[in-house]
Amino acid sequence: AQSVTQLDSHVSVSEGTPVLLRCNYSSSYSPSLFWYVQHPNKGLQLLLKYTSAATLVKGINGFEAEFKKSETSFHLTKPSAHMSDAAEYFCVVRPSGTYKYIFGTGTRLKVLA
Amino acid sequence: DADVTQTPRNRITKTGKRIMLECSQTKGHDRMYWYRQDPGLGLRLIYYSFDVKDINKGEISDGYSVSRQAQAKFSLSLESAIPNQTALYFCATSDTRLAGLRETQYFGPGTRLLVL
Repeated sequence: AQSVTQLDSHVSVSEGTPVLLRCNYSSSYSPSLFWYVQHPNKGLQLLLKYTSAATLVKGINGFEAEFKKSETSFHLTKPSAHMSDAAEYFCVVRPSGTYKYIFGTGTRLKVLA
Repeated sequence: DADVTQTPRNRITKTGKRIMLECSQTKGHDRMYWYRQDPGLGLRLIYYSFDVKDINKGEISDGYSVSRQAQAKFSLSLESAIPNQTALYFCATSDTRLAGLRETQYFGPGTRLLVL
């Protein structure tokens, strides 16, 4: 069965330090992979997506993620956190040839001044 | 203007009442979805529709029904609301013309529902 695991439910970083949000997936076939961000009282906004082109994907607001097939991972990173990055982040996988988007349980990022 | 809109944005209702949540999109997408979000559980799929005549149950459809009135409109109904349906509800769309791996979901702003 396909699944998505976000390894940390909460992550705290200081402003200006790197961000790492971890995501592992299981999928039978080459999947599409996404990261969405949800700011408080807002909807989900697409940060970036992997669709079998380059394995290093750049998204909005300085975020990027690397698809590592051998590790079945799609971790989200940012070199320097900003206060406005405080939000909840969702890793999502869509197995190839399916309609189904499988959501992780989310990682809440806190940025400390 | 937002591409995917939801009304109402907030709703308080009582147990046993029937309510409808509405979703409209101007993206021209054929697929539409309803999800609910509960703390610590991520998003769970309630119903999805591939076009006006194709509606399918998701993983948690009990207690819910939907109507796809047009390609651009997809409504979610709670026939008799109960407190454990208190949640944040999201509508999403996607476009199957983006073949294969490029298909992406786009979300509305959400409806926060409280059932007393």
